[in-house]
Amino acid sequence: EDQVTQSPEALRLQEGESSSLNCSYTVSGLRGLFWYRQDPGKGPEFLFTLYSAGEEKEKERLKATLTKKESFLHITAPKPEDSATYLCAVQEFVYSSASKIIFGSGTRLSIRP
Amino acid sequence: ETGVTQSPTHLIKTRGQQVTLRCSSQSGHNTVSWYQQALGQGPQFIFQYYREEENGRGNFPPRFSGLQFPNYSSELNVNALELDDSALYLCASSSKITQGAYNEQFFGPGTRLTVL
Repeated sequence: EDQVTQSPEALRLQEGESSSLNCSYTVSGLRGLFWYRQDPGKGPEFLFTLYSAGEEKEKERLKATLTKKESFLHITAPKPEDSATYLCAVQEFVYSSASKIIFGSGTRLSIRP
Repeated sequence: ETGVTQSPTHLIKTRGQQVTLRCSSQSGHNTVSWYQQALGQGPQFIFQYYREEENGRGNFPPRFSGLQFPNYSSELNVNALELDDSALYLCASSSKITQGAYNEQFFGPGTRLTVL
């Protein structure tokens, strides 16, 4: 069964304490892996797209990497405003021109000042 | 450039009723997807529409149906509402780039549906 698993479920860090979030996936026909940030009561906000193993993307304090089985979201020297739920999603080729998007359950990140 | 908008923001229905949720895509996008997000969970893929045709569907029963219009706006219809349908319903728009692959999706703020 196609799955996307994120770990840890929740992470509490001190401001400035770097860490990584993990997203592991078991899907066939991967067409892309996406990272989103979601604040309470709002829709997810796009962060990164990764298409192939070895690819890396950076934005401010965030860096996303991709291997054949998992992706990491590294956060360097986080600030309280980085507190949010971080979602990973995988786009899987289904047939013809159709695709399916599978989201993980997210990691709730909390940064203490 | 306007973003993805959804209406209404909140909705309360009773079990057995029908509901229609609406979404306007981001300018220039031709694909719209709908998701159901329960509290504390990641979004669950309902279906995707490309050029007014359903182009992928998740594990949701037929009472979840949709439409995409020529201007790429979309509706999600849910018949015979059940208590478990209470959730945040998200719409996302994107552009098709290759066969079976799409650019990143941009999400609307969602519609919070409560079924009593």
